Amino acid sequence: NAGVTQTPKFRILKIGQSMTLQCAQDMNHNYMYWYRQDPGMGLKLIYYSVGAGITDKGEVPNGYNVSRSTTEDFPLRLELAAPSQTSVYFCASSYSDRGHTDTQYFGPGTRLTVL
Amino acid sequence: DAKTTQPPSMDCAEGRAANLPCNHSTISGNEYVYWYRQIHSQGPQYIIHGLKNNETNEMASLIITEDRKSSTLILPHATLRDTAVYYCIVRAIDSSYKLIFGSGTRLLVRP
Repeated sequence: NAGVTQTPKFRILKIGQSMTLQCAQDMNHNYMYWYRQDPGMGLKLIYYSVGAGITDKGEVPNGYNVSRSTTEDFPLRLELAAPSQTSVYFCASSYSDRGHTDTQYFGPGTRLTVL
Repeated sequence: DAKTTQPPSMDCAEGRAANLPCNHSTISGNEYVYWYRQIHSQGPQYIIHGLKNNETNEMASLIITEDRKSSTLILPHATLRDTAVYYCIVRAIDSSYKLIFGSGTRLLVRP
């Protein structure tokens, strides 16, 4: 298994540009998550999904959108990039069954700089 | 989810045990203690979790006090590759999907 994969690894955007961060998992996990991590800080949850077609906001959703059309993929969309979105973005997945949510597995991250 | 308190940094010598403390005095009865670590620039890696009994796996041991208000992560024979930020997280396994990351403890393993 590849686990959780993310593309691209690095990206530089200009203010106002848009882009999609890709995330895929091959572990048949039903839950998927997007976090951001600013320098020297812990991770903050942006959005999460409990299954295909279902998404919900986390702690810091403003400026982002997500979709979950398949179990495997959970892309994160930035519509109008701002310098405040300069961060490292991590995708994660886990399995939840009958209310028991298992360990989260993280991808390698996407380092985004907005200039 | 209960808040956790960890020292900002620690160090230990290679080959020795690293003991990382965590306080979670407001922990509830249905909340587990999780430990993750983040090696420089990589995604967080799950280490271990427990409810009230001590736990051990191939990576580490977790010691939880009887009143559950604090715990210690033990890396029995630290190596240079264990240098990382270690996060102690408390969450209810049956209701909360969220992992709330604090600032963690930066562990430096010295040669």
